[in-house]
Amino acid sequence: DQQVKQNSPSLSVQEGRISILNCDYTNSMFDYFLWYKKYPAEGPTFLISISSIKDKNEDGRFTVFLNKSAKHLSLHIVPSQPGDSAVYFCAAGAYNTDKLIFGTGTRLQVFP
Amino acid sequence: NAGVMQNPRHLVRRRGQEARLRCSPMKGHSHVYWYRQLPEEGLKFMVYLQKENIIDESGMPKERFSAEFPKEGPSILRIQQVVRGDSAAYFCASSPPGGSVEAFFGQGTRLTVV
Repeated sequence: DQQVKQNSPSLSVQEGRISILNCDYTNSMFDYFLWYKKYPAEGPTFLISISSIKDKNEDGRFTVFLNKSAKHLSLHIVPSQPGDSAVYFCAAGAYNTDKLIFGTGTRLQVFP
Repeated sequence: NAGVMQNPRHLVRRRGQEARLRCSPMKGHSHVYWYRQLPEEGLKFMVYLQKENIIDESGMPKERFSAEFPKEGPSILRIQQVVRGDSAAYFCASSPPGGSVEAFFGQGTRLTVV
């Protein structure tokens, strides 16, 4: 039972353009969502989070949008930079469990 | 403030041997989580521990796997009688008490069973 899904395994974007990474979930009981970035041979690094009571959170070039009715969230990176090339995981959690449920990841490649 | 420290970074074991993976959480963090990433898959939750207590082990295989987080020292994930299917990257994360939603991850231990 995959509660958090990232249906695009890869995405290729030109430098300077917008990158949009998508994530869908099935459990309406999640309280918060996070995006992590992962380089090869390293652990995931936290990027940005959003509470289920909000629909948008912004931090510099990164913005996360949450559509609760559609059970969908997206991460926008603008402008995209070559250093953004990595695997991006979305994750969801609930306050009563403290564990994160991860999607399978989307590999983003930003080319010059 | 050192981050989450995992060792070893790489571990090779023959089938049937035991693997011990260590995780030292960030200073001040009392919650530890173990995740496993199989090739071409996302991170799968295994177990959530606080000092001397297993809070949630719903993601742990029923046999051969165990975890502990003693009062002193690092958290240990122990895999007995390893099989080829145990080959994966094992990540540890920690968070402080009191409800921070953000978990900080270590660099992982890549276990290879030959």
